[in-house]
Amino acid sequence: QQQVKQSPQSLIVQKGGISIINCAYENTAFDYFPWYQQFPGKGPALLIAIRPDVSEKKEGRFTISFNKSAKQFSLHIMDSQPGDSATYFCAASSAGNTPLVFGKGTRLSVIA
Amino acid sequence: GAVVSQHPSRVICKSGTSVKIECRSLDFQATTMFWYRQFPKQSLMLMATSNEGSKATYEQGVEKDKFLINHASLTLSTLTVTSAHPEDSSFYICSASQGSQPQHFGDGTRLSIL
Repeated sequence: QQQVKQSPQSLIVQKGGISIINCAYENTAFDYFPWYQQFPGKGPALLIAIRPDVSEKKEGRFTISFNKSAKQFSLHIMDSQPGDSATYFCAASSAGNTPLVFGKGTRLSVIA
Repeated sequence: GAVVSQHPSRVICKSGTSVKIECRSLDFQATTMFWYRQFPKQSLMLMATSNEGSKATYEQGVEKDKFLINHASLTLSTLTVTSAHPEDSSFYICSASQGSQPQHFGDGTRLSIL
C-alpha cells in the first residue's frame, strides 16, 4: 500500500519553463511534507518543505502548493534550468521524528 | 546547513564478506538516524530507524541478523551487512535528524558484491 503517490514518473521541460510535480497522500496524520532533490550517485538533498498550516511556501524558484482538503501537494519549479535536471521525491511524515514515507520519484529533464 | 557524512562512498567485495558503512552527523547531534536502501531508478526504502543508545527498529521484511545497526553515539551510526551476497548489492543511504528537525541525508554507499 503506497501512502504517497507521486506523478508524473518522468517530465521533460524546456529551459525557462515551469516544472510541476504532484503528490497525493492518504494518511491524515501526516503533518510534514518535504521535497528532496537527488542527483545520480548522491543522496537526496532537502529542497523545500511545508506544514499543513499554510497553503503555499516559496523559496527562490521553488514553490510548494498544499491542499489539505484534497490531501495533495505539489512542487513548482519556475524558470527551470538544465541544472535542475534530477530526480525529485516528495515525502511525508507525521508528528515527531517519525520516518519519512517517500513517493516513487519524478525524473526531471530540462532541455535547452 | 546540516552535514551528514557517509563512508565509504563505494565498496566492492567478494560474496561472504561483511561490510560496515558509517554514517556521521558532522555539525549536530543526531538523536535519530535512518537507514535506507535504493535500487536503480527506484525510491528510497526504509530499512530501519535507530535512536541513540537503543536497539534499532527494523521494517518488515528486513533481516535484523543480516543488517546490523549500531547507534552508539549522537554522531555515529553504523550499518554492517553480514555475509553479503550479490543480491545485497544496492545503494545504501543514511539520514540523521535532531529531535523533530528535518532529516538530512548522506551521499550514500554503493555496495557491489561479486
